[in-house]
Amino acid sequence: DADVTQTPRNRITKTGKRIMLECSQTKGHDRMYWYRQDPGLGLRLIYYSFDVKDINKGEISDGYSVSRQAQAKFSLSLESAIPNQTALYFCATSDINGGEQYFGPGTRLTVT
Amino acid sequence: AQSVTQLDSQVPVFEEAPVELRCNYSSSVSVYLFWYVQYPNQGLQLLLKYLSGSTLVKGINGFEAEFNKSQTSFHLRKPSVHISDTAEYFCAVSDLNFGNEKLTFGTGTRLTIIP
Repeated sequence: DADVTQTPRNRITKTGKRIMLECSQTKGHDRMYWYRQDPGLGLRLIYYSFDVKDINKGEISDGYSVSRQAQAKFSLSLESAIPNQTALYFCATSDINGGEQYFGPGTRLTVT
Repeated sequence: AQSVTQLDSQVPVFEEAPVELRCNYSSSVSVYLFWYVQYPNQGLQLLLKYLSGSTLVKGINGFEAEFNKSQTSFHLRKPSVHISDTAEYFCAVSDLNFGNEKLTFGTGTRLTIIP
C-alpha cells in the first residue's frame, strides 16, 4: 500500500463550486504539505503544517484553505473554484528533521 | 529567501549517451539539496540528496550529482541514459533554518531519450 494517498485522483468541477482534496499518510510524519504543479512553473507551495496545531501559508495560498484533521490527514479546499486553479495537486510529508519529502500520486483538477 | 534555477527546460539525448542536467541555487544560509524525478502520470520520487559530507552524491538508477558550494550548483549526471530515463527532473533546495525547513523547487527539466 502507498504511504501517501490522495483522493480523488481526477476531478472535473465547475467554476464557483467548493471542492476538497484529501491526503492521508501512514508514514507517521508530523509535517505535511500541499503543492500545485503547472507546466513550466515547477511545484509551488500552497500550505504546510508542521504538526496538528500548526498551519502555515505557502507562496500561493490565496483561494485555498486547509484542515489538519489528524497527524495522518491534511485536506485542501477550494472554496469557490476558478479556471486558473486547474492544475496537478500534490500532497507530501516529511519527518521532523526536514529534508526529504515523500509525495502522493497527485490529483488532477480541472475547473471549467 | 532561497531560489533554484534549472537552466534547461528540455534536454534531448540519444540513448546510451551521457547527460548533465544543470541546477543552480541561491540561499543566504547552508542548504540541503535534492533531485526528484517525475515519470509520466506519476508523483515525484527522490533520486538523490546532499545533506553534508562528500560532495559527490550517488542516487538511484545510476544517477549522481556533485555539490559545488563556490558555484552554488548541484548538477545531475548519468554516464549512459536509457529509454526508461525519459521523465521530468526537479532540483530542490531546503535551507537549514531549523524548525522552518521548506523545499523550494526549480521549474523542471524534461529529459527525452532518443532511440
